[in-house]
Amino acid sequence: QQPVQSPQAVILREGEDAVINCSSSKALYSVHWYRQKHGEAPVFLMILLKGGEQKGHEKISASFNEKKQQSSLYLTASQLSYSGTYFCGTEPVSGTYKYIFGTGTRLKVLA
Amino acid sequence: DSGVTQTPKHLITATGQRVTLRCSPRSGDLSVYWYQQSLDQGLQFLIHYYNGEERAKGNILERFSAQQFPDLHSELNLSSLELGDSALYFCASSPLPGELFFGEGSRLTVL
Repeated sequence: QQPVQSPQAVILREGEDAVINCSSSKALYSVHWYRQKHGEAPVFLMILLKGGEQKGHEKISASFNEKKQQSSLYLTASQLSYSGTYFCGTEPVSGTYKYIFGTGTRLKVLA
Repeated sequence: DSGVTQTPKHLITATGQRVTLRCSPRSGDLSVYWYQQSLDQGLQFLIHYYNGEERAKGNILERFSAQQFPDLHSELNLSSLELGDSALYFCASSPLPGELFFGEGSRLTVL
């Protein structure tokens, strides 16, 4: 079953912050975040392996709560270049070698 | 440039036909994943190969098949095509679980 992301879509002004959530019904070994710009391939942003671990990438960071099987992506002081669709990618503990992406969150940053 | 090459970039064909999509992974990557992305939809996992062996299958239709060759390139075969098969098909290779590098995709249009 596909991890559920929320919100489905969000519109921001430049400089505003946003949080994107990813929730899985399965126990996860790791969570990864990707960004896909319109008409392009998804691009890997970051990986989170341990529960509660936060990682950062420019002004984008993320956390992973393995007990709740949830991850959140934090975008601070958003820039126009942040626009796109964000997907969480998940690897289940059961080791099925399936790599399942979440439902996606469309983010649009306006000037 | 992710280093993953997919051909063809665009393909238009008729219902009932068969097509083959090709993927060359990044040098050194043993894992290849295939995903289907319909218009403005998420990434649906099709199949995962590792070093020539099938590791996992997603909701891949019986009309679809794939393989990974000894030189690690992979092919996705789609047969008896239907209108609903029109989509962007991505291949991704991975050096580590979760860190996927996507090709630019093959856009299939079935008329």
